[in-house]
Amino acid sequence: GQQVMQIPQYQHVQEGEDFTTYCNSSTTLSNIQWYKQRPGGHPVFLIQLVKSGEVKKQKRLTFQFGEAKKNSSLHITATQTTDVGTYFCAVIMEYGNKLVFGAGTILRVKS
Amino acid sequence: KAGVTQTPRYLIKTRGQQVTLSCSPISGHRSVSWYQQTPGQGLQFLFEYFSETQRNKGNFPGRFSGRQFSNSRSEMNVSTLELGDSALYLCASSLGPTGYTDYGYTFGSGTRLTVV
Repeated sequence: GQQVMQIPQYQHVQEGEDFTTYCNSSTTLSNIQWYKQRPGGHPVFLIQLVKSGEVKKQKRLTFQFGEAKKNSSLHITATQTTDVGTYFCAVIMEYGNKLVFGAGTILRVKS
Repeated sequence: KAGVTQTPRYLIKTRGQQVTLSCSPISGHRSVSWYQQTPGQGLQFLFEYFSETQRNKGNFPGRFSGRQFSNSRSEMNVSTLELGDSALYLCASSLGPTGYTDYGYTFGSGTRLTVV
């Protein structure tokens, strides 16, 4: 099964509103990656977080890694229609060295 | 530089047939991973190859197999196709094997397989 739980499953927002998706794990993670997949497209790597409490920003996107390295979030400020897509977190399972993806959060933006 | 190339883009096969999908990673990338994506199951890990060796395999039946060539190109094969194998098959390349690189995966556009 999935090593991480990702919530919410769907989010519909009005353009200009903020959006946040969360990934939670029951075990401590070595790192976490975030990907975006546009409708009809393929996942595109956004960022990797490694350090406890790490916060990274990419323009309107803010990524956080929890202090205990068991959770992470992706926050988008003032969403735009170009933000539409599915956002996935992905973690490396300690055994087997597989990159396992969360179920994803589908973001829809109403203009 | 060229991205990850997957061929073919679309494929329609009949139950019981077999299929081979191809993936050419970014030049210099030696790790190739394969994923199956369906609406119900999301992104499911199939296998990863690095330096022509399979490092890991996901929870898929033996009908799913793969290999990697000396130029890092990879193929995956599905034999005795079933209707449930209909999915988007994605290949991803990275510089090093999973867990040994700070870089994420670069995905190809995928092969959309439909089994009828």
